[in-house]
Amino acid sequence: GAVVSQHPSWVICKSGTSVKIECRSLDFQATTMFWYRQFPKQSLMLMATSNEGSKATYEQGVEKDKFLINHASLTLSTLTVTSAHPEDSSFYICSARDIITATQNTEAFFGQGTRLTVV
Amino acid sequence: GNSVTQMEGPVTLSEEAFLTINCTYTATGYPSLFWYVQYPGEGLQLLLKATKADDKGSNKGFEATYRKETTSFHLEKGSVQVSDSAVYFCALTINDMRFGAGTRLTVKP
Repeated sequence: GAVVSQHPSWVICKSGTSVKIECRSLDFQATTMFWYRQFPKQSLMLMATSNEGSKATYEQGVEKDKFLINHASLTLSTLTVTSAHPEDSSFYICSARDIITATQNTEAFFGQGTRLTVV
Repeated sequence: GNSVTQMEGPVTLSEEAFLTINCTYTATGYPSLFWYVQYPGEGLQLLLKATKADDKGSNKGFEATYRKETTSFHLEKGSVQVSDSAVYFCALTINDMRFGAGTRLTVKP
């Protein structure tokens, strides 16, 4: 089956530093990847839609200068949390659609998530 | 906009009990509907899906039927096991994917 690998699975960083999270589709290509944020015991909130070779589309209220998204290839998207602060601590999850089978209504495959703790 | 409303949890059941988790949606157009399951500290795994009205998705004893007339996609299982304890998310997709709030299920022996 389709596998999405997210790295790192957890990271602790100091306040004011930047952290990069990678999302890779291992056995398929993805023109579109999605980034979500999940607070404890809450649902997934869509942060942005990452499109290969173009700018990401951010949801309302998400700071694009703080959460930098790059989708440089069909198998890799990165989320960089810049100048991280304790309130950015959260569980970040990416997902991707297979370019071959994807329509606007097909399922997405999810990474295992990254737990970010900013101290 | 598109949204999903899911039964609030937590839900606690005894092993072999019947499970229903309600899910209704609002969407412009014709979405596909999904149930995902999340185990502690992990990402989401697709449990089942339905792509058009009256479709029934099923997997591992779980079922859900796409009801356009009631805009619902309720999840059911006839006999739950301890290993089914997890958080369940209802989701729809038109272009992007939107999730319900999630329902935490705990099954006790």
